[in-house]
Amino acid sequence: DAGVTQSPTHLIKTRGQHVTLRCSPISGHKSVSWYQQVLGQGPQFIFQYYEKEERGRGNFPDRFSARQFPNYSSELNVNALLLGDSALYLCASSLDTGNRNQPQHFGDGTRLSIL
Amino acid sequence: AQKVTQAQTEISVVEKEDVTLDCVYETRDTTYYLFWYKQPPSGELVFLIRRNSFDEQNEISGRYSWNFQKSTSSFNFTITASQVVDSAVYFCALSEAGLDSSYKLIFGSGTRLLVRP
Repeated sequence: DAGVTQSPTHLIKTRGQHVTLRCSPISGHKSVSWYQQVLGQGPQFIFQYYEKEERGRGNFPDRFSARQFPNYSSELNVNALLLGDSALYLCASSLDTGNRNQPQHFGDGTRLSIL
Repeated sequence: AQKVTQAQTEISVVEKEDVTLDCVYETRDTTYYLFWYKQPPSGELVFLIRRNSFDEQNEISGRYSWNFQKSTSSFNFTITASQVVDSAVYFCALSEAGLDSSYKLIFGSGTRLLVRP
């Protein structure tokens, strides 16, 4: 079975632009989470979605938004890009959100560079 | 607040040496879950192990072993007879429950392991 897939792999944008990152979860997984990983740091939680509804949100500005589609895939949108948004954006999927024992399985990430 | 500390920023060993990666956590939850992930240069976070707060039994899986001690809030990871392919960044993480049955992972800052031939 395919793992979590993310697109694009790399992206270069300039300040003020917006970007859309995409994620397809593992087949059968209904929950998708997004994390931001700045170089040299651990991933930071941005959003969690389950059954198309937002279930959790990290400490990120309103420029960050996301949604989940009926097929459980997800998009992360970032508006008015800043230099500090340069990071690796990781998507993770799990069966559902209610069981903290379930591991989250991560994709390869999208590396976003802001010039 | 929940917190995970990985004090070792970088460790360098020679192949076949044993190496232990330290992880200390803080939480007020009585039920919690701990995880270890490996991040090779490709970027993908690879799940290695999970442990719940009620199970302090140590675990061994091949060359990997984990030592969970609630008394010291530690969840350390040992690689026996390290290999070059073990070179990666290793993250310890703690699950935190949110509203609506959601949960997120709180990651430490990671430990970069370099295994030299």
